[in-house]
Amino acid sequence: NAGVTQTPKFQVLKTGQSMTLQCAQDMNHNSMYWYRQDPGMGLRLIYYSASEGTTDKGEVPNGYNVSRLNKREFSLRLESAAPSQTSVYFCASSEIAGVGVKGTQYFGPGTRLLVL
Amino acid sequence: LAKTTQPISMDSYEGQEVNITCSHNNIATNDYITWYQQFPSQGPRFIIQGYKTKVTNEVASLFIPADRKSSTLSLPRVSLSDTAVYYCLGREVYSGGGADGLTFGKGTHLIIQP
Repeated sequence: NAGVTQTPKFQVLKTGQSMTLQCAQDMNHNSMYWYRQDPGMGLRLIYYSASEGTTDKGEVPNGYNVSRLNKREFSLRLESAAPSQTSVYFCASSEIAGVGVKGTQYFGPGTRLLVL
Repeated sequence: LAKTTQPISMDSYEGQEVNITCSHNNIATNDYITWYQQFPSQGPRFIIQGYKTKVTNEVASLFIPADRKSSTLSLPRVSLSDTAVYYCLGREVYSGGGADGLTFGKGTHLIIQP
């Protein structure tokens, strides 16, 4: 049981390049999330998917797109990377998008992205 | 949707009890208070959650007074490995599911010294 996995672990991009961050969970969770964390800052929600087939914007969605490929996988795409997108990206999942035990989020190890 | 305020940093020593207080003056009836812990280079990890009074698990205790305008995370007998960032979140219940309130803020950086 691997929990939440993310690939790649590290990535360096040039401004204008595109890339997709992959996230998968093996806990049969309905809800999945993408966050970014900048130095000295907390986590900010980019997009989330409350259930398979749905996606919604979070606090900082500009410059990103997401795809809920199936129940297990939720990808984050940067179409044209900018230096302001240099950050650590975390994927998370939970049984439901709510509170209580079922709303507890489980996080992946993160992807460190540098945009030059 | 509760806006939470917590200290930026705290110091303590091994073996001490540490209490981190979070203020949430505009907490709503449906808001739960949830705490997460984050070690360097890792994603956050759930610690404890509560609605009112006291909740205790194997890791920590959470005290929420009757007016629910603040809450206190209590870590008993801390060790060096408890050095981490601790986040307090106010989460609102939506019967249909939702992710409003998923704002982690800057958290409290707890440093435990020998």
